[in-house]
Amino acid sequence: QVQLVESGGGVVQPGWSLRLSCAASGFTFSSHGMHWVRQTPGKGLEWVAVISYDGSTKQYADSVKGRFTISRDNSKNTLYLQMNSLRPEDTAVYYCAKDLLVANWGSRGFDYWGQGTLVSVSS
Amino acid sequence: DTQMTQSPSSLSASVGDRVTITCRASQNINSWLAWYQQKAEKAPKSLIYTASNLHSGVPSRFSGSGSGTEFTLTISSLQPEDFATYYCQQYNTFPVTFGGGTKVEMK
Repeated sequence: QVQLVESGGGVVQPGWSLRLSCAASGFTFSSHGMHWVRQTPGKGLEWVAVISYDGSTKQYADSVKGRFTISRDNSKNTLYLQMNSLRPEDTAVYYCAKDLLVANWGSRGFDYWGQGTLVSVSS
Repeated sequence: DTQMTQSPSSLSASVGDRVTITCRASQNINSWLAWYQQKAEKAPKSLIYTASNLHSGVPSRFSGSGSGTEFTLTISSLQPEDFATYYCQQYNTFPVTFGGGTKVEMK
């Protein structure tokens, strides 16, 4: 069965960096685009970034552009989110999600989500 | 960016009720719309993709319809496990955007 397991969250001060990981299993990881989505406690869902199945193409939300970097290691079935220059407004639960689309750029929606990892940015 | 507007933001209903949630896109998204269910302190669960296709394992009491800019999610007979928050999402263009959510509460 498909499993997505995030890790790497924690409490950091403004300006610090953090790297999140998402370990994938149960499907052909190298065939699917992957996303990061975040949710501020008690609020709605905000899409953060997407990476194509082969890692060649990436897109970011304006709110994180220039500070966050999405990447993947298909040999390790792992997705990453490098978060630099963190701000209090980045405090959220971060989810990784698998895209339905196979071996192409774009999106056809998400079919599986991880359980989330909490990032808290506070002085 | 494509703005997604859900209505209502919350509703109260009883077990067995028919529930309808509406999602409007600020521009034409064809049928590139998904619906997700989220229970408290849990990750979202995927319900519907391409406006009307149910993911595997999703009960048939859930259905989706619409195209262009107007979409609906219908629960034909609300069950106790359906009390949750529901989100629509467009993936016609990046950035992917979500509606603000509709919380379905027990009357």
